[in-house]
Amino acid sequence: AQTVTQSQPEMSVQEAETVTLSCTYDTSESNYYLFWYKQPPSRQMILVIRQEAYKQQNATENRFSVNFQKAAKSFSLKISDSQLGDTAMYFCAFMKLWNTNAGKSTFGDGTTLTVKP
Amino acid sequence: DAGITQSPRYKITETGRQVTLMCHQTWSHSYMFWYRQDLGHGLRLIYYSAAADITDKGEVPDGYVVSRSKTENFPLTLESATRSQTSVYFCASSETDPGTGFNQPQHFGDGTRLSIL
Repeated sequence: AQTVTQSQPEMSVQEAETVTLSCTYDTSESNYYLFWYKQPPSRQMILVIRQEAYKQQNATENRFSVNFQKAAKSFSLKISDSQLGDTAMYFCAFMKLWNTNAGKSTFGDGTTLTVKP
Repeated sequence: DAGITQSPRYKITETGRQVTLMCHQTWSHSYMFWYRQDLGHGLRLIYYSAAADITDKGEVPDGYVVSRSKTENFPLTLESATRSQTSVYFCASSETDPGTGFNQPQHFGDGTRLSIL
């Protein structure tokens, strides 16, 4: 079984600054995805960024980037130029790359990020 | 509009009552999932389905029943609701990439907030 740990229940950052959210995971799988989801107060689950474990290059989506350390089983999210709209709960999630019972995800407990004006 | 729809958005009921949460997706995705999210925590898998008439238990299945007679619908029933089932429930769907066979990220509904008094 997989586990995902987010050790920072709450974080805050000033608008326009950079913040990094941490995530560690444990798995015996060699092929998998890691995701960061954003959940604003509206409760929607929004996919922010994904990383395939077989790719060495860290994923980037505009202001969002990850630092994927496969050997250390670490997957942090960096948000640059933070905006008020980034205020949300952020979840790290693990999913096997392929599986006959496809697409089950394991989630961390989340980090609540507050961006301050 | 294409997407995944959950109903109702909010529900209040009493202990011992039966309640059914509905989930409908328009993509014809093979895989569908039910998660629960308790206050301050991540999502935990209740049940999932790989296809019509194929369902399986997730991490926290006790007290829940699912069915999937049609690909597009995946209702979740609490047969005799208990206060511990007060939670936000998310439905999700996904598919595998037809070329690679890789799992694809899940698409989530907007959630149902269920309160059991």
